[in-house]
Amino acid sequence: KNEVEQSPQNLTAQEGEFITINCSYSVGISALHWLQQHPGGGIVSLFMLSSGKKKHGRLIATINIQEKHSSLHITASHPRDSAVYICAVRYQGDKIIFGKGTRLHILP
Amino acid sequence: NAGVTQTPKFRVLKTGQSMTLLCAQDMNHEYMYWYRQDPGMGLRLIHYSVGEGTTAKGEVPDGYNVSRLKKQNFLLGLESAAPSQTSVYFCASRVAGAVTGELFFGEGSRLTVL
Repeated sequence: KNEVEQSPQNLTAQEGEFITINCSYSVGISALHWLQQHPGGGIVSLFMLSSGKKKHGRLIATINIQEKHSSLHITASHPRDSAVYICAVRYQGDKIIFGKGTRLHILP
Repeated sequence: NAGVTQTPKFRVLKTGQSMTLLCAQDMNHEYMYWYRQDPGMGLRLIHYSVGEGTTAKGEVPDGYNVSRLKKQNFLLGLESAAPSQTSVYFCASRVAGAVTGELFFGEGSRLTVL
């Protein structure tokens, strides 16, 4: 059983739409990471957060520690946002568990 | 800064052959990780290291060995490759500390075992 669950698994939207990707986890964590992976490409860290909310450009990440839930939002989505978005949680100091990812496709 | 560099980026092996993947980071990070990524699955931890000279097993360590003789390098070895080890391998590193520690990934190494 994967202890990090992402939803949806796949998402197709029109350019300009507001996108939300959710991440739920079952362990007590010290930090949560949102990562981006383009097709055939490497993995890039978007956010690391342990409370509250962070914003970078059109991307916003929030976390609710009590509810063990995080969301990644993309405002004014663009085809270049098409990628796999991965949630990962850090627990017991060194350990990190990854979700299976959400495949996002933004249509022009 | 180069960040995290993995070599080689592509390799084809025959069953039973051995090889070593090299991960090098120039950010003076304490923690380094080796993951494998397979279709339909999240990244799975093979081995990790919290400092020079230390290594620990992750979720799927069987068939792999690692060494961290220098802080900047983390080597992943396959002593006798099997088709089940066909995968994309990612190395990652971060600074120590619960509050800090953004993950930095290499570009991946695609390994095919025939």
